[in-house]
Order: sequence, then structure tokens, then C-alpha cells
Amino acid sequence: AQSVTQLDSHVSVSEGTPVLLRCNYSSSYSPSLFWYVQHPNKGLQLLLKYTSAATLVKGINGFEAEFKKSETSFHLTKPSAHMSDAAEYFCVVSDRYTGNQFYFGTGTSLTVIP
Amino acid sequence: KAGVTQTPRYLIKTRGQQVTLSCSPISGHRSVSWYQQTPGQGLQFLFEYFSETQRNKGNFPGRFSGRQFSNSRSEMNVSTLELGDSALYLCASSQGPSERPSYNEQFFGPGTRLTVL
Repeated sequence: AQSVTQLDSHVSVSEGTPVLLRCNYSSSYSPSLFWYVQHPNKGLQLLLKYTSAATLVKGINGFEAEFKKSETSFHLTKPSAHMSDAAEYFCVVSDRYTGNQFYFGTGTSLTVIP
Repeated sequence: KAGVTQTPRYLIKTRGQQVTLSCSPISGHRSVSWYQQTPGQGLQFLFEYFSETQRNKGNFPGRFSGRQFSNSRSEMNVSTLELGDSALYLCASSQGPSERPSYNEQFFGPGTRLTVL
């Protein structure tokens, strides 16, 4: 069965320091993996996606993620946090054997301290 | 291209009433999915429509229903509203089921905030 575990419900970093949001997935087949960001009272915006091409994926706003099959992980990183990065982040897995249905993690709330 | 639009953006209803929410997908997208988001339960999948047919369904009671029109626009309906139905309802569109992963990428609308009193 497909599932996603976001290992931290809350992460707090100082502005200018690196960001690491952790995600582990379970999938029966070659998965597609996504990171979405949600700012307060807004919809979800796609940050980046992995769809079986390069394992290091670069997204918008300086975010990137690395697909590690051996570790079943897809952690999101950013070298230097900005105040505007404060938001909720969701890791998502899907694969064609489940009709490409999206399975969401429970989310990680990122706080950026000035 | 215009993004996914949802109407209305905010809605206040009382228990026992019913409500209809609307979603217009990105032009050319044929699949529409609906999600319920609450602080306690997070993001939960309601259902997905493709070419006017329900393709996937989440674990919600029959009070939650949906449909899709020939122009891919979708509506979801909640009957006999309960206090616990208060949530942000998100709609997402994609090109549709395909071997091409990019076709399955979902684009989300801003959501409809439903408050049940």
C-alpha cells in the first residue's frame, strides 16, 4: 500500500540557515513523489516533483529534494531559509498501480525565526 | 493559462443544510479530485472524476457526492451538514490518468472554506 510519513510535524529554523524536511514513502511500484507548500488560507502549490528521471530534483524558490530508493526517502532541503518560507509542507506519493491517486503526508509546519 | 478556480471561496451553513461547491479545472485538464482539509485529520481524499465518471473514492459517507460535467467542471455536494464537515475543501485538476507521470501532476485551487454552525 502507498503511504507517506513526514517525520517532523514542526520544524523551526533561523533565517539564513539550512532547511531539512524529512519524508519517507512506501510504494509497491516506481513512485512519483511531490512536495507541495501551503501558505495560510491558501491552496497547495507544487514545489518540485520526482517522476523517475534525475534523482536530485530542483524546484522553485531554491528548494530541492533527493530521491533515495534504498532509503525510501525524499527529503526536502534548502540551503538558506527565508522568512517567506514559513508555511505547511506536504510530501505526496502516487503510482500508476493505484490509479495515480495522491497519498498525502500529514504535513510539516516550518517556522522561520528572524 | 488560468489556474483552478473554486467557488464560492467562503461559505457558512447551519447543521442539516446541504451545500454545493464548484470547481473549474485548468483548460485541457480532464481529471478533477476533491480533498477535505481539517486541522485534526489533515488532507483527506474525497473522490476523483475523469471524463464524467468517478474513478476513485475515499472513505467518506454517502452524504458526500460529486459529479463532473462534459466541460470537465466539477461539483461536490454535501447533504445534511454536520459540525464536523467544517473544513477547507480543495479541488485539484490534472490532465488525466496516463503512463506519462506529468499527466498525473495535480494543480490545486485556492479552496472553499466551509463553516457549519
